[in-house]
Amino acid sequence: AQKITQTQPGMFVQEKEAVTLDCTYDTSDPSYGLFWYKQPSSGEMIFLIYQGSYDQQNATEGRYSLNFQKARKSANLVISASQLGDSAMYFCAMREAYNTDKLIFGTGTRLQVFP
Amino acid sequence: EPEVTQTPSHQVTQMGQEVILRCVPISNHLYFYWYRQILGQKVEFLVSFYNNEISEKSEIFDDQFSVERPDGSNFTLKIRSTKLEDSAMYFCASSETGTGNSPLHFGNGTRLTVT
Repeated sequence: AQKITQTQPGMFVQEKEAVTLDCTYDTSDPSYGLFWYKQPSSGEMIFLIYQGSYDQQNATEGRYSLNFQKARKSANLVISASQLGDSAMYFCAMREAYNTDKLIFGTGTRLQVFP
Repeated sequence: EPEVTQTPSHQVTQMGQEVILRCVPISNHLYFYWYRQILGQKVEFLVSFYNNEISEKSEIFDDQFSVERPDGSNFTLKIRSTKLEDSAMYFCASSETGTGNSPLHFGNGTRLTVT
C-alpha cells in the first residue's frame, strides 16, 4: 500500500536561509510521481513541484528543488532563500501510475520563516 | 492560467440537512476528485471520478455522499444528511490524466460548518 511520511510537524527558518522539509514514501508501484503542495493560512492548496520516479535529475522550480533519493525512498523539498511569504503548511504527496489514480498526502510540515 | 473553481467558499448548515458543494474543474481535465481536510489535520481522499463514473472511493465516502457531473462543466459533491463530524474544508481537484506524472490542481476549497 502507498504511504507518505513527513516526520517534521514544524520547522523554523530565518529569512534568506535555505530549509529542507523531509518526506519519505513507500509504494509497490514501479512508476509513480511525487509532489509538493503549499497551503498558506488562507487555505488553498498550491502545487509547487513534481518529481517522476524515472527522472534522472532532481526537479527544480525557481527557489524550490526536490532532493530525490530513490533508493532511500525520500523526496525532500529544499526551499532556498526563504521569504516571509513561504510561511505555510507544506504537504508531500504521491501518485502511483498503475494501482490507483488518487493522490495521497503526508501529514504536512508547518514552516515558519522569521525575519 | 486555468484554475479549478469551487462554490461556495463557506457553507453553514444544520445537522441533518443536505448540502451540495460545487466545482468547475479545468476544462481539458478528465479526472476529478474530492478531498477533505478536517481543521489542522491531513488531507484525506474521498472519491475519484472518471468517464462519468466513480473510479475509486475511500471508507469515508459512505452512502450519505454522492458525486455527479450534471453537465459538461460542473462536478458536485452531495452530502445527504450532514453530521457534526462532516465539518471540514472540502477540496475539489482535477488532473489532465490519471497517470503518476500528472499533478492534481485544487480549488480554493469550501469550508463546511455543520451546527
